[in-house]
Amino acid sequence: GDSVTQTEGPVTVSESESLIINCTYSATSIAYPNLFWYVRYPGEGLQLLLKVITAGQKGSSRGFEATYNKETTSFHLQKASVQESDSAVYYCALGRSNTNKVVFGTGTRLQVLP
Amino acid sequence: EAAVTQSPRNKVTVTGGNVTLSCRQTNSHNYMYWYRQDTGHGLRLIHYSYGAGNLQIGDVPDGYKATRTTQEDFFLLLELASPSQTSLYFCASSDAGQYEQYFGPGTRLTVL
Repeated sequence: GDSVTQTEGPVTVSESESLIINCTYSATSIAYPNLFWYVRYPGEGLQLLLKVITAGQKGSSRGFEATYNKETTSFHLQKASVQESDSAVYYCALGRSNTNKVVFGTGTRLQVLP
Repeated sequence: EAAVTQSPRNKVTVTGGNVTLSCRQTNSHNYMYWYRQDTGHGLRLIHYSYGAGNLQIGDVPDGYKATRTTQEDFFLLLELASPSQTSLYFCASSDAGQYEQYFGPGTRLTVL
């Protein structure tokens, strides 16, 4: 079935350092799934951070970016300079074909130190 | 702005207890979902619905019932709660044909 594997957390970085959270996917129900990154801040529900629906394209939001690589089946999340306010749990996800269902990764907790 | 609310935010019950978690969305979305989130697992889909009166089984449905009474309201029922159902529960909604989901803030359930 469809699945998503991402960096196991927690990930701890210092403010202004760069960040990469790895995500790879396996999609059996669809050749080119829609890919997403969601973020969950403390005490809140998940919210969409960025999405890419076309292989080879890059999505970006709030300084984060991710490129849809169909050759390596990856969708890594990167940021050049993190802030303390980026501390949250990040989820990689893919949309299953012909359904409204989404498969989520396990989530990666990010802690940014001041 | 789209909104999904959940109640209660926290709930403690005992083994064998009866629990109902509530979710309301004001997005006018057709689809609603119940997930559980546990350490080491991604969000796992329990049940979902594409409209009032409709119910679809998710990936981890055992021990849970759900009911969609209106387009806005979706309930998750645990009739004989067990400690294995201690978890963080999220409700979400989405438009038909759209993968983007809008989430509520979650309900933390503890079964003693």
